[in-house]
Amino acid sequence: GENVEQHPSTLSVQEGDSAVIKCTYSDSASNYFPWYKQELGKRPQLIIDIRSNVGEKKDQRIAVTLNKTAKHFSLHITETQPEDSAVYFCAAYSGAGSYQLTFGKGTKLSVIP
Amino acid sequence: DGGITQSPKYLFRKEGQNVTLSCEQNLNHDAMYWYRQDPGQGLRLIYYSQIVNDFQKGDIAEGYSVSREKKESFPLTVTSAQKNPTAFYLCASTPQGQGAGYGYTFGSGTRLTVV
Repeated sequence: GENVEQHPSTLSVQEGDSAVIKCTYSDSASNYFPWYKQELGKRPQLIIDIRSNVGEKKDQRIAVTLNKTAKHFSLHITETQPEDSAVYFCAAYSGAGSYQLTFGKGTKLSVIP
Repeated sequence: DGGITQSPKYLFRKEGQNVTLSCEQNLNHDAMYWYRQDPGQGLRLIYYSQIVNDFQKGDIAEGYSVSREKKESFPLTVTSAQKNPTAFYLCASTPQGQGAGYGYTFGSGTRLTVV
């Protein structure tokens, strides 16, 4: 089955700096890669996603890049703000059999004012 | 809650008691999922269902049971066989799109505590 590794597990940045979270996946058939943000005690919410036919996608301060050859994808947050503090999860979707998302273990991002 | 509702928000279970967590969606999604989240941990899949009257075990199904009698509903029962059920439980749904992949919509969660 699919295996998703996420790094780092914790990340602290100064307000205004950039944050980068990296994930690797094992199944070359995976074709959809969403990112979720979870605030304390709340449900995960989809913030950005990318499909395997695209190398990069941006939405204001958030961007995701995908390297299919190396089987890794990354979340980039620029000009971080205190409200970006949360746990971020990456995930990979394998259409070959399981039809479900496999999640990374999460990264706790703290933005220091 | 964006089309998928979990209830109750908080639930307390006594030792040896079965409890049922409700998950209802009005998004017309085919697939539904149950995840367990422990403090500071990631999401672990308990059960999932891709069609009515069919469901599959996830990574940690022992001590849990589900049913999928209606497309909109996917209740989770935490049985007395689950020895450490205290956790945050999340239900999710997604369009069936096999091979295409879609993001999950999550419910707001149920926090279960053993007393």
